[in-house]
Amino acid sequence: ETGVTQTPRHLVMGMTNKKSLKCEQHLGHNAMYWYKQSAKKPLELMFVYSLEERVENNSVPSRFSPECPNSSHLFLHLHTLQPEDSALYLCASSQELGATQYFGPGTRLLVL
Amino acid sequence: GNSVTQMEGPVTLSEEAFLTINCTYTATGYPSLFWYVQYPGEGLQLLLKATKADDKGSNKGFEATYRKETTSFHLEKGSVQVSDSAVYFCALSDPGGAGANSKLTFGKGITLSVRP
Repeated sequence: ETGVTQTPRHLVMGMTNKKSLKCEQHLGHNAMYWYKQSAKKPLELMFVYSLEERVENNSVPSRFSPECPNSSHLFLHLHTLQPEDSALYLCASSQELGATQYFGPGTRLLVL
Repeated sequence: GNSVTQMEGPVTLSEEAFLTINCTYTATGYPSLFWYVQYPGEGLQLLLKATKADDKGSNKGFEATYRKETTSFHLEKGSVQVSDSAVYFCALSDPGGAGANSKLTFGKGITLSVRP
């Protein structure tokens, strides 16, 4: 039981499309995270939110735009992506910064 | 800065074999240590954790002991099953940190395949 859901589970998009990934946590946590998992590369932390405020942005290209409207929801807005952005995008949440993180199942993204 | 080093993989074992996956870490403070597992096509699941030296985390037959003197958190299981085939990630977190220091630092992960 993860308590973190992500939609869609799979997404195929062209380089000119705009799409959004959604993450929702049902655990009452205050911190949420976006990670990128590419083949044969370590997990990359992209964004961190605490109490709906962004606390970290790890030099992520501007074609990725996060949004955290409340502590239960996190979005990742995508536009003009590149094929190398194809990856598994994982959302996680924790009670507070530094606490145990719980992950969603991920969105498998393919950019054509 | 913090870092996690895992042994190189992949690892292939026969069912009922003994498993050890090595993990060592470098941290400036007193981190919490975690093992996460990722089954094919799924996200990461927390397998076990330990928050202070000499703590032993355990779950589903897996164990890992927080060894401060050797800065290690090796994962062990006495008898693996085919269903244990997955990717295993060691990670650390500094609960006392803020911002960048509060994040999880992951190892590269290691793929375990268990043959019937």
